[in-house]
Amino acid sequence: GENVEQHPSTLSVQEGDSAVIKCTYSDSASNYFPWYKQELGKGPQLIIDIRSNVGEKKDQRIAVTLNKTAKHFSLHITETQPEDSAVYFCAASKGAGSYQLTFGKGTKLSVIP
Amino acid sequence: DTGVSQDPRHKITKRGQNVTFRCDPISEHNRLYWYRQTLGQGPEFLTYFQNEAQLEKSRLLSDRFSAERPKGSFSTLEIQRTEQGDSAMYLCASTPAGANTGELFFGEGSRLTVL
Repeated sequence: GENVEQHPSTLSVQEGDSAVIKCTYSDSASNYFPWYKQELGKGPQLIIDIRSNVGEKKDQRIAVTLNKTAKHFSLHITETQPEDSAVYFCAASKGAGSYQLTFGKGTKLSVIP
Repeated sequence: DTGVSQDPRHKITKRGQNVTFRCDPISEHNRLYWYRQTLGQGPEFLTYFQNEAQLEKSRLLSDRFSAERPKGSFSTLEIQRTEQGDSAMYLCASTPAGANTGELFFGEGSRLTVL
């Protein structure tokens, strides 16, 4: 089955700096890669996703890049703000309509004011 | 609030007892998912319904676990003879059929503590 590795497990940045979280996946058949943000006491919420036919996608301060050959994808957050502090999860699946996402173990991001 | 609703939010039980969790998906979402999340880990897929049909179950779903969605609306997840290893957050999510995005809409979860 699919295996998703995520690094780092914790990340502290100064407000205004950039944060980068990296993930690798094992199954070359995976073609859909979402990122979820989970705040304390809440369920995960989708922040951005990318499909395998796209190398990069941006949404305001958030961007995701995908390298299919190397089987890795990354989340980039620029101009970090205290409200960006949360746990971020990457995931992979065989298609956006797939019922089964395989998640990484998460990265706890702390943005220091 | 029209999001995914889960009940109860917290459940503390003794080992060997049975527990049941309920999930009300977003209205008109016909796909419903259960995931389990243990401390410091990402969510793990348990099972998936399309309408009332349970189409897939993970190997994580032992014989002590049973999920139902009898009328294709709300779903229940029952754990029989709970064990300490069952302590986790049980997350429910839903999506509409034929969605062109892969977004799962998660509820806030039901946290189970088995003493």
